[in-house]
Amino acid sequence: GESVGLHLPTLSVQEGDNSIINCAYSNSASDYFIWYKQESGKGPQFIIDIRSNMDKRQGQRVTVLLNKTVKHLSLQIAATQPGDSAVYFCAENPTSGTYKYIFGTGTRLKVLA
Amino acid sequence: EPEVTQTPSHQVTQMGQEVILRCVPISNHLYFYWYRQILGQKVEFLVSFYNNEISEKSEIFDDQFSVERPDGSNFTLKIRSTKLEDSAMYFCASGLLSGNTIYFGEGSWLTVV
Repeated sequence: GESVGLHLPTLSVQEGDNSIINCAYSNSASDYFIWYKQESGKGPQFIIDIRSNMDKRQGQRVTVLLNKTVKHLSLQIAATQPGDSAVYFCAENPTSGTYKYIFGTGTRLKVLA
Repeated sequence: EPEVTQTPSHQVTQMGQEVILRCVPISNHLYFYWYRQILGQKVEFLVSFYNNEISEKSEIFDDQFSVERPDGSNFTLKIRSTKLEDSAMYFCASGLLSGNTIYFGEGSWLTVV
């Protein structure tokens, strides 16, 4: 069946270091992926997206890498700041033409001062 | 910056009562969604809505649930007879195009007692 999962439920990093959050997906037909950040008690906030015809996409301090061969997605956050502390979810659009997005379990990022 | 707004932010209801959660999607968006998140768990797809009809729904979205777009701006989720297990954060989301980024509201926290 369709599933999106994360390897690490909690990631602790020192302030200023780079963070890498990983996500595995099972549906090879998925053509669109989004990373969301969720702070406590708030809704998911869009960070960055990537289509399946790309391997890498960069935003401000964030980079998403897509490896379709192993069905793996990662979010890299450069110079992690205390404000980056949150739960990060990846979401996939399983098949072009469907209207739903499937979310992974989530990884909690803790930034240590 | 345009945003999805949801009301109420928190509702406590008796088991068996009807609940209506309201959402105002981003004004030029065409695709509307409801997701829910049980405390500590991942975000789960409930239903998508486009062109005044349900596009897709999950197995969670049974006959107790319904959605409506009563006017040009509101999008509602109704739970006809709430159960204890309906307690969750309910997120509305909207998107301009299918298979593109969707933006979430801050959520409505429903507690069924």
